[in-house]
Amino acid sequence: GDSVTQTEGLVTLTKGLPVMLNCTYQTTYSPFLFWYVQHLNEAPKLLLKSSTDNKRTEHQGFYATLHKSSSSFHLQKSSVQLSDSALYFCALSPSSGSWQLIFGSGTQLTVMP
Amino acid sequence: EAAVTQSPRSKVAVTGGKVTLSCHQTNNHDYMYWYRQDTGHGLRLIHYSYVADSTEKGDIPDGYKASRPSQENFSLILELASLSQTAVYFCASSDGSQAPLFGEGTRLSVL
Repeated sequence: GDSVTQTEGLVTLTKGLPVMLNCTYQTTYSPFLFWYVQHLNEAPKLLLKSSTDNKRTEHQGFYATLHKSSSSFHLQKSSVQLSDSALYFCALSPSSGSWQLIFGSGTQLTVMP
Repeated sequence: EAAVTQSPRSKVAVTGGKVTLSCHQTNNHDYMYWYRQDTGHGLRLIHYSYVADSTEKGDIPDGYKASRPSQENFSLILELASLSQTAVYFCASSDGSQAPLFGEGTRLSVL
């Protein structure tokens, strides 16, 4: 069945350093991929989305490129800030329309001063 | 501004009791969803609906019922709450062309 894998459960970095959070997926469909960010005790909020192969998408300093050849959609930022500390989820929708998202287990990013 | 409002924000229930979680959206969205969040599992889809008076099973529907009496309202019902249903529950809505917009969540503790 369809699935999303996030290999890092916890990432701790010092402010100003680059970060990459891994996301790989499995599906037999032509998927839509998403990154959601959830700050403590808040709702998950959409950060990025893509369905276009090999096209970089960016928002709020974060960026990701969907690579269908490797089934990956890694999230990156060149310089993390304290406010980036949050839980990041990669999610998959096997098709458009119903948007029944399949989430990865999440990566907790903690940025230290 | 688009909004999804959940009530209550937190609840303590007893094992075997009935629990109803409510969700209201003002976005004029056709699609509504209920997800459950557990540590280490991300969010998992319980039930969803794409039109009033109709609901569909998601990936983990056992032990849950859903009700969509109107386009704006979507409830999640636990007829016989169990310890294993302690979790944070999120409601979301979508118009089918945009990624789902989530509510603030309901923290449910079953004792």
